[in-house]
Amino acid sequence: AQTVTQSQPEMSVQEAETVTLSCTYDTSENNYYLFWYKQPPSRQMILVIRQEAYKQQNATENRFSVNFQKAAKSFSLKISDSQLGDTAMYFCAFMNWGGSEKLVFGKGTKLTVNP
Amino acid sequence: DAGVIQSPRHEVTEMGQEVTLRCKPISGHDYLFWYRQTMMRGLELLIYFNNNVPIDDSGMPEDRFSAKMPNASFSTLKIQPSEPRDSAVYFCASSSSTQGSSQPQHFGDGTRLSIL
Repeated sequence: AQTVTQSQPEMSVQEAETVTLSCTYDTSENNYYLFWYKQPPSRQMILVIRQEAYKQQNATENRFSVNFQKAAKSFSLKISDSQLGDTAMYFCAFMNWGGSEKLVFGKGTKLTVNP
Repeated sequence: DAGVIQSPRHEVTEMGQEVTLRCKPISGHDYLFWYRQTMMRGLELLIYFNNNVPIDDSGMPEDRFSAKMPNASFSTLKIQPSEPRDSAVYFCASSSSTQGSSQPQHFGDGTRLSIL
C-alpha cells in the first residue's frame, strides 16, 4: 500500500519570503500522480498543484512550484513571495495511474505566514 | 460552474440519532468520494463510487456507516446510530477520468458533525 509522509507538522515564514514543505511517499508503482492541496481556516480543500510522475519537468503554478525527485520519492512544495493568505494546512497526496482513483493523503503541514 | 455541494454545513445531534450527510457532485464527474477528517487520523477515505456504483468501501469504519448514490447527481452518507467518536468533518469530492489521464478531485466545503 502507498504511504505519504509529511515530516513537518508545523512551519512558519515571514511574509514575502520563500518556504519549502517536504513530502515523501512510498510506492512500487512507476506511473502515478502527486498533488498538493491547501486547507485554509475556512476548511475548503483547494488544489494547489499537480505532478504526473512520467514528466521530468517540475510543475509550477504562479508562486507555487514543486521539486519532484522520482528516484528519491520526494515531492516538496516551494512557496515564493509568501502572502498572509497562504496561511493554511498543506496536504501532499498520491494517486495511482489508471484504475483506482483513490487519493492517499499525508498528515499535513500547518503553515503560518507572519506579517 | 457550481462546485461540489454538501449539506448541511454543520450538524449537531445527540448520540444514538441517525445522521444523513448529502452531496451533489460536479455535473459530468463520474467519481464520487467520501472522506472523514479528524485531528488524530487526518483525512481518511471512507468509500468511493464510479458511475454510481460503490467501488471500495474498505474505509467505512463499521456497519453503522452506509453510503448510497442513487443517481449521478446525488449521494448520501448515513450514520445510524451515531456515536460521539463519529464527530469529525466529512468531505465529499468528485472527479472525472478520461482514458490515460486522471483529473484532480474537487472537494466540497465539508460537513462538521458533532455528536453529543
